[in-house]
Amino acid sequence: QVHLVESGGGVVQPGTSLTLTCKASGFSFSDFSMTWVRQAPGKGLEWVAITSFYGSNKYYSDSVRGRFTISRDNSRDTLYLQMTSLGAEDTAVYYCARVHYANGAHWFDPWGQGTLVTVSS
Amino acid sequence: QPVLTQPPSVSASLGASVTLTCTLSSGYSNYKVDWYQQRPGKGPRFVMRVGTGGIVGSKGDGIPDRFSVLGSGLNRYLTIKNIQEEDEGDYHCGADHDGESSFVVVFGGGTKLIVL
Repeated sequence: QVHLVESGGGVVQPGTSLTLTCKASGFSFSDFSMTWVRQAPGKGLEWVAITSFYGSNKYYSDSVRGRFTISRDNSRDTLYLQMTSLGAEDTAVYYCARVHYANGAHWFDPWGQGTLVTVSS
Repeated sequence: QPVLTQPPSVSASLGASVTLTCTLSSGYSNYKVDWYQQRPGKGPRFVMRVGTGGIVGSKGDGIPDRFSVLGSGLNRYLTIKNIQEEDEGDYHCGADHDGESSFVVVFGGGTKLIVL
């Protein structure tokens, strides 16, 4: 069964850094692009970043570009999100998801259960 | 890139039918949209993709036949028949915009489905 488990969230102070981890199981991790999506408390979904199969192509939302880095270790079936210069606006539940591509478009399935990042002094 | 608009909430009685709407911004009528269900306290779950011709591809794992989609103009619809308590939650629509050297995914604000 395909399974994604995020970890690494917590309470951090503004301006600091944090790295999130997403451990995948039940599928051939290196065959899929992977993505991070976040959800601020009581808000909708916001796409954060995406990486291709081997990490050669990466894209970011305008709100995190230059501060966040998405990476992967296919030997460990693990996806990462390195976050720096964190601000209150980054407070959210962060989800990782497997990316599918067909007919010229992408969709995300499945998603993990999420890990909460709270940026507060 | 498109903007997706969803009504904040909708309510429906147990056993009734409800249609959720996701509206694309002008100029993006050819875009497909993905529907995601998010039950309270859980991560999102892929429901299905919809274009102007209806469903594109297959439904997500475990999505019942009560769920169906239609597309018309700038609108993408998700209809749930014979609503059950388990259908309560937030429904998000999303679309990706894949350029030559850019990529972005946009989501609507989500619609909260309240089952009465």
